[in-house]
Amino acid sequence: EPEVTQTPSHQVTQMGQEVILRCVPISNHLYFYWYRQILGQKVEFLVSFYNNEISEKSEIFDDQFSVERPDGSNFTLKIRSTKLEDSAMYFCATLAGLAGVHETQYFGPGTRLLVL
Amino acid sequence: AQRVTQPEKLLSVFKGAPVELKCNYSYSGSPELFWYVQYSRQRLQLLLRHISRESIKGFTADLNKGETSFHLKKPFAQEEDSAMYYCALNRTGANSKLTFGKGITLSVRP
Repeated sequence: EPEVTQTPSHQVTQMGQEVILRCVPISNHLYFYWYRQILGQKVEFLVSFYNNEISEKSEIFDDQFSVERPDGSNFTLKIRSTKLEDSAMYFCATLAGLAGVHETQYFGPGTRLLVL
Repeated sequence: AQRVTQPEKLLSVFKGAPVELKCNYSYSGSPELFWYVQYSRQRLQLLLRHISRESIKGFTADLNKGETSFHLKKPFAQEEDSAMYYCALNRTGANSKLTFGKGITLSVRP
């Protein structure tokens, strides 16, 4: 069964550094999402992406964050200048987007980001 | 605003005991409700959704709009059911964000 993949699985970075988290969606999926989960807290929505543009974003997704799909395959989340509070597990999810079909989002395994 | 509440953090039962994981939601529109499960060292995966009305791995959940609840139930718990369970919702028929509850750890002891 096809799966969403994410790289790296773990990343440690210094505060103020830029990080790029990568996601390879399931082939032919059209909708892409990033969520994060700070340790001990709930999974929170960050942003959704469709047709090469952001369709929805949360208040967490400020100017430090950006998403793109540069090569038609990878879907990336960039944090421009990391803060300590960005330490979390980041999940990518994708959805096929077939009209008239009740669908579900498929999640990647996550990237654990630690900002020191 | 969308909100999902899972009031308990941990439920520990013995194998064969019944299980009920509680979920309440708040949403002004027409929601679609889901239960996701995360087994140890594995990814979040869909367990079931209210619209399917099916039983997966012996689990069922009924949407009660009057009580705004979507509790997950299983009559006889198995050790392999031990995992983290998350209730989530989004707008019906939309490709929009999922709003998750905090999750509950289910521990099934032998």
